[in-house]
Amino acid sequence: AQKVTQAQTEISVVEKEDVTLDCVYETRDTTYYLFWYKQPPSGELVFLIRRNSFDEQNEISGRYSWNFQKSTSSFNFTITASQVVDSAVYFCALGEYGNKLVFGAGTILRVKS
Amino acid sequence: DAGVIQSPRHEVTEMGQEVTLRCKPISGHDYLFWYRQTMMRGLELLIYFNNNVPIDDSGMPEDRFSAKMPNASFSTLKIQPSEPRDSAVYFCASSVTSGGAEQFFGPGTRLTVL
Repeated sequence: AQKVTQAQTEISVVEKEDVTLDCVYETRDTTYYLFWYKQPPSGELVFLIRRNSFDEQNEISGRYSWNFQKSTSSFNFTITASQVVDSAVYFCALGEYGNKLVFGAGTILRVKS
Repeated sequence: DAGVIQSPRHEVTEMGQEVTLRCKPISGHDYLFWYRQTMMRGLELLIYFNNNVPIDDSGMPEDRFSAKMPNASFSTLKIQPSEPRDSAVYFCASSVTSGGAEQFFGPGTRLTVL
């Protein structure tokens, strides 16, 4: 069965600190997709990134970076120089056949000024 | 382009009443998903449609829940009769057909059943 584990329930950091959110997945498929979503206090779910299983290149977008390692079944998300506006719940998700997503439990990130 | 639209944004009702949640997906998207989010169970997929046809409804909790998609631009999720344990945020999302496409979520409907 497909499964996504986000072991960190809650993380608190001080502004400007770097923070890494962990995501470990389980799947028997050779073709799959991984996603990160952000849910700010306002409640909407915002798409951040999508990776497919054949592309292990790390990606950087501004202060955000993602590290995909098939050998450890991990897709970790790092925020560099965190800001208060980064405070949110972050979800990692695994894409199954037919565009169906399995979500992790989420990690609450609190950035204090 | 407008994103996924959901209505109402908030709904408060009494136990036993019928509740209907509405969703308009992004134009051109072939997939539509209904999710429920609670503190206890996180984000759960209830049902999803492809080209207006229900594909997988295994997440629908029980017969009190039903969903329809009469056309490409409209879907409803109905709960009848509602119970307090149905209180949650219900999200609708849509995506294009290509495998592994990202889903775009609506703002959600916060349902409170008293």
